[in-house]
Amino acid sequence: DQQVKQNSPSLSVQEGRISILNCDYTNSMFDYFLWYKKYPAEGPTFLISISSIKDKNEDGRFTVFLNKSAKHLSLHIVPSQPGDSAVYFCAASETSGSRLTFGEGTQLTVNP
Amino acid sequence: NAGVMQNPRHLVRRRGQEARLRCSPMKGHSHVYWYRQLPEEGLKFMVYLQKENIIDESGMPKERFSAEFPKEGPSILRIQQVVRGDSAAYFCASSPSPMSTDTQYFGPGTRLTVL
Repeated sequence: DQQVKQNSPSLSVQEGRISILNCDYTNSMFDYFLWYKKYPAEGPTFLISISSIKDKNEDGRFTVFLNKSAKHLSLHIVPSQPGDSAVYFCAASETSGSRLTFGEGTQLTVNP
Repeated sequence: NAGVMQNPRHLVRRRGQEARLRCSPMKGHSHVYWYRQLPEEGLKFMVYLQKENIIDESGMPKERFSAEFPKEGPSILRIQQVVRGDSAAYFCASSPSPMSTDTQYFGPGTRLTVL
């Protein structure tokens, strides 16, 4: 049972344009959501997070939007840069426990 | 301030051997989590430990896998009698508290290859 889903395995964007990565979840108990970026042969690096009491969180070029009614979140990167090319994982956790449930990841490629 | 450290980075074992993976959390972090990433998949939770205690091992396979986080020293993930299906990247993460809002910081991972 895949509780966190990233339906797009890959996304290709031109440098300077906006990248939008999507994530859907099914577990209503999730109340904290995170995005991680991962380069090959490295561990995931934390990017940005959002609590379920908010619908938007912004940090520099990265903004995460949360739509609780649709059980959907998205990560916006603007402007996209070639160094942003990596696999992006969406993750979620419940208040009652701190284990993270990850999506399958989306490979973002930003073309110069 | 050093990040999460894992060793070895690469480990090759033959079927039936034992694999020991080590994780040293970030300074000041006493909560450790192990995740496994199979090829072409996302990370899957395995176990959550505090010093000398296993808090949640619901993601651990019932047999051959064990984990510990002793009072002194790193956390150890131990896989006995490895099989080819154990080949994966194993990531350790740490956090300062068990709060769900406390970010987990990941190590570089150990890539286990079973021949």
